[in-house]
Amino acid sequence: KAGVTQTPRYLIKTRGQQVTLSCSPISGHRSVSWYQQTPGQGLQFLFEYFSETQRNKGNFPGRFSGRQFSNSRSEMNVSTLELGDSALYLCASSFFLQRSTDTQYFGPGTRLTVL
Amino acid sequence: DQQVKQNSPSLSVQEGRISILNCDYTNSMFDYFLWYKKYPAEGPTFLISISSIKDKNEDGRFTVFLNKSAKHLSLHIVPSQPGDSAVYFCAASVAGTGANNLFFGTGTRLTVIP
Repeated sequence: KAGVTQTPRYLIKTRGQQVTLSCSPISGHRSVSWYQQTPGQGLQFLFEYFSETQRNKGNFPGRFSGRQFSNSRSEMNVSTLELGDSALYLCASSFFLQRSTDTQYFGPGTRLTVL
Repeated sequence: DQQVKQNSPSLSVQEGRISILNCDYTNSMFDYFLWYKKYPAEGPTFLISISSIKDKNEDGRFTVFLNKSAKHLSLHIVPSQPGDSAVYFCAASVAGTGANNLFFGTGTRLTVIP
């Protein structure tokens, strides 16, 4: 069974630009969550999508948005990039995350560098 | 505000000895706890979990202990192997609300010396 895939793996952008990251969950998984990892803050939850609906959202500004398609693939978008948005963006999928005891499986991440 | 804390950024242990990684949390609503292991250039990999109704969960060389009164959990790896060298993240969640977001600590880098 293929794991969670994320594209692209690396991305370099400049301040003010926007970026779109993509995540393909494990086949059969319907929940996709996004996390931001930075050296000082560790992994922080961005949002979670289930059946094309945002079900949960972390404490990030509105510049961070996402969506999920009918095949459970998800994208996240960051507009008006700031230097502080440089981070590893991780996507995690799970089968049916009604209770958070369902294991979340992570992709390798997209490394975003904002210059 | 960091609700899950790993106060030791790094730990070095000799091969064959015990590795003990610690984690503290502040939110008394957390009732499900997990450990993830992360190698460079890879996403975190689930290692072991524990529900708040238990105080210990064991899986092979890995044991997680939970002390609810102290809001503290620890991961024991016995015996430690060089392949265990990685960054370990502690995570917590509130399982019963339908909110699935995990709250992670900042990680502890474990180095197992051959």
